[in-house]
Amino acid sequence: AQRVTQPEKLLSVFKGAPVELKCNYSYSGSPELFWYVQYSRQRLQLLLRHISRESIKGFTADLNKGETSFHLKKPFAQEEDSAMYYCALSGRGTSYGKLTFGQGTILTVHP
Amino acid sequence: DSGVTQTPKHLITATGQRVTLRCSPRSGDLSVYWYQQSLDQGLQFLIQYYNGEERAKGNILERFSAQQFPDLHSELNLSSLELGDSALYFCASSVAIAASGATDTQYFGPGTRLTVL
Repeated sequence: AQRVTQPEKLLSVFKGAPVELKCNYSYSGSPELFWYVQYSRQRLQLLLRHISRESIKGFTADLNKGETSFHLKKPFAQEEDSAMYYCALSGRGTSYGKLTFGQGTILTVHP
Repeated sequence: DSGVTQTPKHLITATGQRVTLRCSPRSGDLSVYWYQQSLDQGLQFLIQYYNGEERAKGNILERFSAQQFPDLHSELNLSSLELGDSALYFCASSVAIAASGATDTQYFGPGTRLTVL
């Protein structure tokens, strides 16, 4: 079975502070990991995926297979980063393409 | 705007009723996915279609069914509605199901908010 855990439901930081949103996963095999963001009253948008290794809006995430983690990081948070963040996993085989989401973390960046 | 459209935006109905939610994927996308977002369960995968055929099933209740039509739009039918079915229902689409290689990016629609009274 595949599972994604985001241990923090709420995360508050001040503008300019570093931020790390935690994500741990459980999957037997090689998963693909994603971070999706949902701004207030908007649709889910892909923020980044581990295979592309790119940085979007200053966010980065590294897949750590040993710790089965895919934490999202940003060195200097901005107020516009306030949103709901979801970590998601896609497996292979019959569940290929289906996304399993974590419970989400609401990030609030205070001025 | 991801190009995925969903109608209606809001739906208010009573227990025991039946509703149909509609999704139009991005142009060229063959795969459609349905997800349910609720306060207690979070975001959960319901079902996936590829080019008209069901490909994967998640935590979808027997009271719920879906289909994908030849023009690739999809409908999610919810029947014998209960209070607990109140949720935001998202549709997503992707180009295809990759036989190998990377998972296609899923693009989400704005969702349909269902309220069951």
